[in-house]
Amino acid sequence: QKEVEQNSGPLSVPEGAIASLNCTYSDRGSQSFFWYRQYSGKSPELIMSIYSNGDKEDGRFTAQLNKASQYVSLLIRDSQPSDSATYLCAVSLSGAGSYQLTFGKGTKLSVIP
Amino acid sequence: DVKVTQSSRYLVKRTGEKVFLECVQDMDHENMFWYRQDPGLGLRLIYFSYDVKMKEKGDIPEGYSVSREKKERFSLILESASTNQTSMYLCASTLELRGYGYTFGSGTRLTVV
Repeated sequence: QKEVEQNSGPLSVPEGAIASLNCTYSDRGSQSFFWYRQYSGKSPELIMSIYSNGDKEDGRFTAQLNKASQYVSLLIRDSQPSDSATYLCAVSLSGAGSYQLTFGKGTKLSVIP
Repeated sequence: DVKVTQSSRYLVKRTGEKVFLECVQDMDHENMFWYRQDPGLGLRLIYFSYDVKMKEKGDIPEGYSVSREKKERFSLILESASTNQTSMYLCASTLELRGYGYTFGSGTRLTVV
């Protein structure tokens, strides 16, 4: 069983601070990595994807990937109260033709005004 | 804008009823998925389909079946609803993981009484 692990939180940060969310995965052959944001009672929405080692930045969000350590993270700069949500890490299953994602259980982020 | 539509936002059904959850996507995606989401357990894959008439079991298929008669529609069937199937059900689709990830429907909150 392929696993994706996240700290459940809650992670509380003050408004304007950097929020750091972490994820580890067990499938060494995984190639695609995603971060989804889920507000309470809503469905997940894609906010970042990353496929190569290193950093990828999009606005206030930075995704970081280290395949050797099987680790992916999400940094949120200048955190806003509207960033308060559960963040899901998703990792693709290895193997040709696989379109399956395995999700972590999510980290709940609370940004305090 | 791409869209995945789940026919019902909230459903209440009685134990033993046959329940149909419908999902329609307008993006011409081959790949469609059904997940359930429960507190503390995260997103768990029930069934998926990579083509019309094709279906594969996910991690928790027991008590469920699916139908994919047309490319755009993927239905989840609870053959005889039980209280332990009370959950949030999420449909997702993708053309390619790389560059796209999943697009989720808005979810169906099913309560079995």
